[in-house]
Amino acid sequence: AQSVTQPDIHITVSEGASLELRCNYSYGATPYLFWYVQSPGQGLQLLLKYFSGDTLVQGIKGFEAEFKRSQSSFNLRKPSVHWSDAAEYFCAVAPNNAGNMLTFGGGTRLMVKP
Amino acid sequence: DAGVTQSPTHLIKTRGQQVTLRCSPKSGHDTVSWYQQALGQGPQFIFQYYEEEERQRGNFPDRFSGHQFPNYSSELNVNALLLGDSALYLCASSLGTGAGSPLHFGNGTRLTVT
Repeated sequence: AQSVTQPDIHITVSEGASLELRCNYSYGATPYLFWYVQSPGQGLQLLLKYFSGDTLVQGIKGFEAEFKRSQSSFNLRKPSVHWSDAAEYFCAVAPNNAGNMLTFGGGTRLMVKP
Repeated sequence: DAGVTQSPTHLIKTRGQQVTLRCSPKSGHDTVSWYQQALGQGPQFIFQYYEEEERQRGNFPDRFSGHQFPNYSSELNVNALLLGDSALYLCASSLGTGAGSPLHFGNGTRLTVT
């Protein structure tokens, strides 16, 4: 069975600092990979996705993620964090041959210091 | 353009009772998926409906059932509620069931079982 691990439960960064959120997956083949963001009391919003091709993908709100097959990782990055980025971030995978049923990681809560 | 709408936003039930949650998909979408998000965890896939049939199901007991109507809206029913059913229930819609069809999430229904 596939699984997703987000090793960092909480991360605190200063506003303007760079950010990297880690995501590792376990799956027999390369799955489809996603990052979602959830603000308090809200649903999930898709930040970016990777299906194939260029391993560096750009998303909304200035986020990017890099797929590394050798490390089974799909880490999310942002060069300069804004206070409005404080939220919970979820990495998710979908089997590449079985539809858009997602398996989510446990999430990383990002706090931003002024 | 209305996004995914869920009702009610909050609900309190007693153990053993039954509950029905409702979801209207984003305009133009024909597929509805349901996820359960326990406090402090990532969402877990319950099931997906397409063409009024359950297409995929996660690891949830038969107490969890659903329905999709001809207008693509959907209901999630949970019978014989347990304390452990307390969670945020998220509805997501998409155009089709393929992995290339991104999910759009509603803000969820917060269910508390006492």
